[in-house]
Amino acid sequence: GESVGLHLPTLSVQEGDNSIINCAYSNSASDYFIWYKQESGKGPQFIIDIRSNMDKRQGQRVTVLLNKTVKHLSLQIAATQPGDSAVYFCAENFFSGNTPLVFGKGTRLSVIA
Amino acid sequence: SAVISQKPSRDICQRGTSLTIQCQVDSQVTMMFWYRQQPGQSLTLIATANQGSEATYESGFVIDKFPISRPNLTFSTLTVSNMSPEDSSIYLCSAGRGQGQPQHFGDGTRLSIL
Repeated sequence: GESVGLHLPTLSVQEGDNSIINCAYSNSASDYFIWYKQESGKGPQFIIDIRSNMDKRQGQRVTVLLNKTVKHLSLQIAATQPGDSAVYFCAENFFSGNTPLVFGKGTRLSVIA
Repeated sequence: SAVISQKPSRDICQRGTSLTIQCQVDSQVTMMFWYRQQPGQSLTLIATANQGSEATYESGFVIDKFPISRPNLTFSTLTVSNMSPEDSSIYLCSAGRGQGQPQHFGDGTRLSIL
């Protein structure tokens, strides 16, 4: 399946605050999830990933939470900076690899300086 | 991570013409993927390109409109044929190194049809 949204939801946060971006995925068989950041004029850039055998994974200033029961992902960004302004997509996949990604609708993060 | 280069980065084309988009990966990969992203929207899979076999197309995309080549393990092309204004979009290719590895994307080709 595919997810296509007509209008991207927007999240506005003050610089320095924490951001939480949510995503629902569709396939309960998916076992690998990825968050991407897309800046204007660029392709999606990998941020962080998580396997289904985990419910939390931390990176530098970012944390991904996975709730398989309700098929929900969230991306938390600590101390949000102006450079974090972008569109964020979650994508579901299979850990075995070599399969296409199914993208969520995307959220536009706007950081207010 | 795989480095993916796409060209052209953008083009403005006349209705009825065709454009071929190239995607180069800096290492050998089994699968490459082509996506379309319409303005303000998410990414939609067009097709999966496996070296040595015909591309597999998603519902709503056909080979006559979007022929794909995959001549080797580092390169693929997508052609947008007989273009109409509805084909104005961003076209992106991606590839991953396999199990447990995230796919990486090129910066896309921004296509406008007049």
